[in-house]
Parts: sequence; structure tokens; C-alpha cells
Amino acid sequence: AQSVTQPDIHITVSEGASLELRCNYSYGATPYLFWYVQSPGQGLQLLLKYFSGDTLVQGIKGFEAEFKRSQSSFNLRKPSVHWSDAAEYFCAVGATKSSGDKLTFGTGTRLAVRP
Amino acid sequence: ETGVTQSPTHLIKTRGQQVTLRCSSQSGHNTVSWYQQALGQGPQFIFQYYREEENGRGNFPPRFSGLQFPNYSSELNVNALELDDSALYLCASRGRLSTDTQYFGPGTRLTVL
Repeated sequence: AQSVTQPDIHITVSEGASLELRCNYSYGATPYLFWYVQSPGQGLQLLLKYFSGDTLVQGIKGFEAEFKRSQSSFNLRKPSVHWSDAAEYFCAVGATKSSGDKLTFGTGTRLAVRP
Repeated sequence: ETGVTQSPTHLIKTRGQQVTLRCSSQSGHNTVSWYQQALGQGPQFIFQYYREEENGRGNFPPRFSGLQFPNYSSELNVNALELDDSALYLCASRGRLSTDTQYFGPGTRLTVL
């Protein structure tokens, strides 16, 4: 069975600083990987997804993520954080193309942005 | 806006009761999934419905059941509520392809006392 680990429960960065959120997955074959963001009182919004091809994926709101098979990682990055990026971020994996939307989520990383 | 709405926003029930949560998907989205998100946790997949039939279930007991209707609405029913059922329940819908983006609703916060 697939699993996702987000090692950082809580991260605080200063506005304008760069950001990297870590995600490690466990799955035997090529996974389908996702990053979602959840703001208070909101549902989950998809930031980006990886199915195949280029291992550097661009998403919305200036986010990108890099799939590294050798490290079983899919870390999320942003070069300059804005105060509005404060939210909870979830990494998720889908097992196969046919069930790519039956997702297994990590426990999330809560991002705080310091003015 | 995702075009996915859920009702009610909040709900309080007592142990042993039954509850029905509702979701309205975007027009044309014939696949809906339900997730349970306990406090401080990531969402957990409950089940998925495609064309009104269950199409996969996570590790949840049969007292969690669902319905999907032709008008792109769906329901999650939970019988014999337990304290551990307290959570945010999210529905997500997508179009025909499994690789289509899923759109999540804002969720229903269920509290079981």
C-alpha cells in the first residue's frame, strides 16, 4: 500500500524568503503525485500534479515541485513566499492511472509567514 | 470557487445517531469521492462513486455508505455514529478521465458527542 510522509509539521518563513516543503512517498511503481493547499474554512485546492514526463512540475501561485525517484521525494518549492501563502499543505499519492484520484494524503505541513 | 458545494457546513450529532451529508458537483462531473479529515490529519479516502455505482472504497466500515444521483449530487451516510467519526468530510468531483483535476468542496464539519 502506498504512503506519504511529510516530515515537517509546522514551518515558519519570512515573507519574501524561499520555501521548500518536503514530501516522501512509498509506492512500488511510478506514483501519481499531488500537492494541495488548504486554507482555513476552505476545501483543498490543487497546486500541481505529476503523472509522467518532466520531473520538474510548475503549478499555480508560483509553486513548483520536483519528482526524484531515487529519493522517493516530491518536494514543493517557491522562490519568494507571500503572506497569503500561509495555509496547510498536503502532499498526496495516487496508486495507478486508473485510480489516480483515490488519493493517500500525508499529514500536512502548516506554513506560517512572518511579516 | 470550485463549483462543488456541501451542506450543511456544521453538524452536531450524538453517538449512535445517523447522519447524511450532501454534496453538489459541477455539471458533467460524474465521479465523486468522499474523504474524512480528522483534526490535525490529512484526508482519508472513504469511497468513490461513478455513474451512481460505488467504484472503490478505502478502509472504512459498511456503516459508511453513499449515494450518487443523476443530477450530479451525492450523499454520504454514516450509521451508528461513534465519537471517532468527528471530522471534516470532504467531497471531490471530477470529469470523465481519472487524470482530470479533482475539485474539492469546503467540507462539512461533523461533531459527535
